[in-house]
Amino acid sequence: GESVGLHLPTLSVQEGDNSIINCAYSNSASDYFIWYKQESGKGPQFIIDIRSNMDKRQGQRVTVLLNKTVKHLSLQIAATQPGDSAVYFCAENIRNTGKLIFGQGTTLQVKP
Amino acid sequence: DAMVIQNPRYQVTQFGKPVTLSCSQTLNHNVMYWYQQKSSQAPKLLFHYYDKDFNNEADTPDNFQSRRPNTSFCFLDIRSPGLGDAAMYLCATSGPGQGPETQYFGPGTRLLVL
Repeated sequence: GESVGLHLPTLSVQEGDNSIINCAYSNSASDYFIWYKQESGKGPQFIIDIRSNMDKRQGQRVTVLLNKTVKHLSLQIAATQPGDSAVYFCAENIRNTGKLIFGQGTTLQVKP
Repeated sequence: DAMVIQNPRYQVTQFGKPVTLSCSQTLNHNVMYWYQQKSSQAPKLLFHYYDKDFNNEADTPDNFQSRRPNTSFCFLDIRSPGLGDAAMYLCATSGPGQGPETQYFGPGTRLLVL
């Protein structure tokens, strides 16, 4: 079926290290992808997005890479901080539907 | 600041007692969404409004209804809550100027059913 999935349920990193969170998607009609961060008890917070005509997009300390050949999306966080601890969801937009399909989430734990 | 607001943040109801959750937005977005999120799971879309047009997901139970009286407000009505309806309910919006696909979420309402 069509789904967006994440490879690892939990990622544990040392403070100051770089983090890489991966996501696989299966719908070739997806034209837009978003990464969300969700802290405990809060709603998902927009981090960064990328359109299907791009391979890479950078924000503040975050980079999203899109590999359409293998339908893979990744979120890189530079110099991970304790405040980055949260669940990270990737989401894909199916063209012309206005709806997002969410992956299952990866929990990022930052060790001091 | 423009934002998506959900009230209350926590709601306790009794089994079978109707409950209404509310969402408001100051973003002037034309699309509003309701999601259900259970513990350790991804948000699941229940339905959305594109302006006044209501779009229900095929697997959303009839127990869940929604109203959107104007652009700013949207309500989620659970007619007869069951224990399985205990979850976080998230409201999101999207609209012109932000990329129609980008959804911005409220803080959520956590529903407890006793």
